[in-house]
Amino acid sequence: ETGVTQSPTHLIKTRGQQVTLRCSSQSGHNTVSWYQQALGQGPQFIFQYYREEENGRGNFPPRFSGLQFPNYSSELNVNALELDDSALYLCASSGTWTSGGPNTDTQYFGPGTRLTVL
Amino acid sequence: QKEVEQNSGPLSVPEGAIASLNCTYSDRGSQSFFWYRQYSGKSPELIMFIYSNGDKEDGRFTAQLNKASQYVSLLIRDSQPSDSATYLCAVRESNYQLIWGAGTKLIIKP
Repeated sequence: ETGVTQSPTHLIKTRGQQVTLRCSSQSGHNTVSWYQQALGQGPQFIFQYYREEENGRGNFPPRFSGLQFPNYSSELNVNALELDDSALYLCASSGTWTSGGPNTDTQYFGPGTRLTVL
Repeated sequence: QKEVEQNSGPLSVPEGAIASLNCTYSDRGSQSFFWYRQYSGKSPELIMFIYSNGDKEDGRFTAQLNKASQYVSLLIRDSQPSDSATYLCAVRESNYQLIWGAGTKLIIKP
């Protein structure tokens, strides 16, 4: 167990709907990264949050947005769902800021949320 | 486009043998390298990380890094059926983000 939790475990939505996924980071971690993993592929980086601010973003459209709260938990919001959004959504927490920047070394994953868009 | 490449497999290894998993990366500025194991339907779990050239051992696992060749590998000694999983290689870029390979599926045959 990594101490990272995600909710819900599974979710079924229809095209055009909106969804919010939640993540609680491991105690002592202040950086949260979100990934999308399609079947048979590696995780694709969506974005990262450090101290409530977006700290980097992958090649995902603006309808993917997020938040990080003062307790370092985080949300991923996806608007106008498309069929291709069906995937496993992973949240990973990692440690504190270092002199060179946010420390994304040693990311620990939650169990993931399986999203199905019909 | 910075990339991390892995052979998708499946790689089939007899129980008790050594499994060798390979990964190449394109960003010469990469500093940190990670191996994760992912069972079907589960999230990735960290096996090892390596920062310096050479070998790093942890139990039955050995990570090998060659920055000149931009190559990182994972060896699993005395392979067990429970080692059957997909192994993901991840590389930390200079902007601190992780780039992931697509994974190698490993099958350990009893």
